[in-house]
Amino acid sequence: EAGVAQSPRYKIIEKRQSVAFWCNPISGHATLYWYQQILGQGPKLLIQFQNNGVVDDSQLPKDRFSAERLKGVDSTLKIQPAKLEDSAVYLCASSPGTGGREKLFFGSGTQLSVL
Amino acid sequence: QQPVQSPQAVILREGEDAVINCSSSKALYSVHWYRQKHGEAPVFLMILLKGGEQKGHEKISASFNEKKQQSSLYLTASQLSYSGTYFCGTGRSGTASKLTFGTGTRLQVTL
Repeated sequence: EAGVAQSPRYKIIEKRQSVAFWCNPISGHATLYWYQQILGQGPKLLIQFQNNGVVDDSQLPKDRFSAERLKGVDSTLKIQPAKLEDSAVYLCASSPGTGGREKLFFGSGTQLSVL
Repeated sequence: QQPVQSPQAVILREGEDAVINCSSSKALYSVHWYRQKHGEAPVFLMILLKGGEQKGHEKISASFNEKKQQSSLYLTASQLSYSGTYFCGTGRSGTASKLTFGTGTRLQVTL
């Protein structure tokens, strides 16, 4: 079975520029997650979608970050404008259901460097 | 609140055992364990649900003490392939699908 696809793999931008990441979850998975992983730390949940709707975005810096899930499938995460502290790996994950009893399947991530 | 893992790092020789602990200050519904190798995505190891169950496959097992809000991951007869950073992810009742990942434990297995 195909895994979670993310692109681009790497991105280097200057501060105040904008950037977008794309994620294609495993087919049929209802829940999609975006995590931010700063070097040396555990992944931090930014936003969680269940099908088309947002389940949790309490830790998403909404003044600069936005995310959408198109038709309950693909998702994009955007940062505008980027700050130096946004340098991190952005991981997309998906799971079949929503109850917390299922494992998360992670993509390879997008490594963002903000200069 | 982020669960705390201990130890932060451990170096083992091949064949030795290790225990990684995960503690939360909040009541837990579930605990997930993942392993991440450098530059790669986290890979699922196992899920434990409240009830104090213990699970395992091959030489990796885990326990979940609901009352103590703790989980432990047991690595037996470690292999070189076990090297990586181990993360616990905790889910709380009512928001179980929202995982909060721990601080991570770096494990290095040497010859």
